[in-house]
Formats: sequence, structure tokens, C-alpha cells
Amino acid sequence: KQEVTQIPAALSVPEGENLVLNCSFTDSAIYNLQWFRQDPGKGLTSLLLIQSSQREQTSGRLNASLDKSSGRSTLYIAASQPGDSATYLCAVLSGSRLTFGEGTQLTVNP
Amino acid sequence: NAGVMQNPRHLVRRRGQEARLRCSPMKGHSHVYWYRQLPEEGLKFMVYLQKENIIDESGMPKERFSAEFPKEGPSILRIQQVVRGDSAAYFCASSPPGNEQETQYFGPGTRLLVL
Repeated sequence: KQEVTQIPAALSVPEGENLVLNCSFTDSAIYNLQWFRQDPGKGLTSLLLIQSSQREQTSGRLNASLDKSSGRSTLYIAASQPGDSATYLCAVLSGSRLTFGEGTQLTVNP
Repeated sequence: NAGVMQNPRHLVRRRGQEARLRCSPMKGHSHVYWYRQLPEEGLKFMVYLQKENIIDESGMPKERFSAEFPKEGPSILRIQQVVRGDSAAYFCASSPPGNEQETQYFGPGTRLLVL
């Protein structure tokens, strides 16, 4: 059974800092890994998707890496802004389902 | 190309009533998935459907919950005799026909509140 863990559960940083969110999964037989953003009471916004054959993806200030063999992914956010405050979810696709982590709640203080 | 649509966005029911949640997949998508997010918890897979077929319902509670994806019309997640513990956000996702590795695209969710 696939399990996804995200560390830390919550993170508070001052504006401008670079930060790293961590995700680990127990079964390396995945098709892809995806990072989402969720604002309170809202839906999911897909940030980055890494196929199992890829090592990383970049979009603007975001960079996600994937090490499938060790079951780990990181989301790097450069020069954080208050607007980045949200919950960040990691999810892996294996079989026909996505398995989500519990999320990291990020607060960026002005 | 409209994204995945869900309605209603918010639904209030009293204990014992029925809740019907609808999901219209993206145009051209034939696979639908339902996920549930309980308060302060992560999203959990419930069911995977293709047109007129339930492919994987291993995440569905055994009683009171059912899902369908008819040949015509939206996918429906039905909860009978709702209880307070059913209060959650229910998200639908869809993917195009083909293999199961296709990316899933999420709708905005339906937030169910059971009084």
C-alpha cells in the first residue's frame, strides 16, 4: 500500500527566504509525482508534475526534484512571497489512483 | 476547453437526508475519479469510473455510498442517509482515454456540510 509523508507539517518563514518542502513515498513503482497548492476552502492548483523518468521540473520560482529509487521528492521555492502562503500537497500516481500526503502548511510573513 | 466542473459547490444536508454530487469531466475525458478530504486531513481516493463501469471502488465506504458514470451526463456520487462524519470536501478528477498513467485534472470540489 502506497503511503506518502510530507515534512514539515507546517512552516513559517519571513518574506524573501528560499525554502524546501519534502515528500517521501513508500512504493517506488509510480507513474508520476505531482505538487499541488491548496488555499483555505479552495480546490487544488497543480504546480508541477514530474514523470517517473524525469529528475526535475521547474516553473518560475518553483523547482521540484524526484528521486524515485529512494522514494523522495523536494519542492524548492525561491524568494518566497506572502502570496505563497498556502498548503502544499504532494501526490504520487500509482495504479489508477493518486495517493496524497497530508500537506505542508506554509506561511510567508511580510 | 472548460475544466472539470462540479456542482453544487456547497451542499448542506441534515442527518438522514441524501446528498448527490455531480461531476462533469473535461471534454474528451472518459475516466473519472472521486476523492474525499475530511477536515484537517489529506485527500483520499474513493472510486475510479469509466463510462458505465466502476473500475476500482476500493476506497469507497461499504455502506451508504455509491457512484455512477452513465453513458450520457455527469458522474454522480451519491451518499444516502448522511451523517455528520460525511462532512468533507469531495473532489472529482478526470483524465483522457488511454492508459492509467494519464494526468488527472481536478475540479473545484463540493463542500458537504451535514447538520
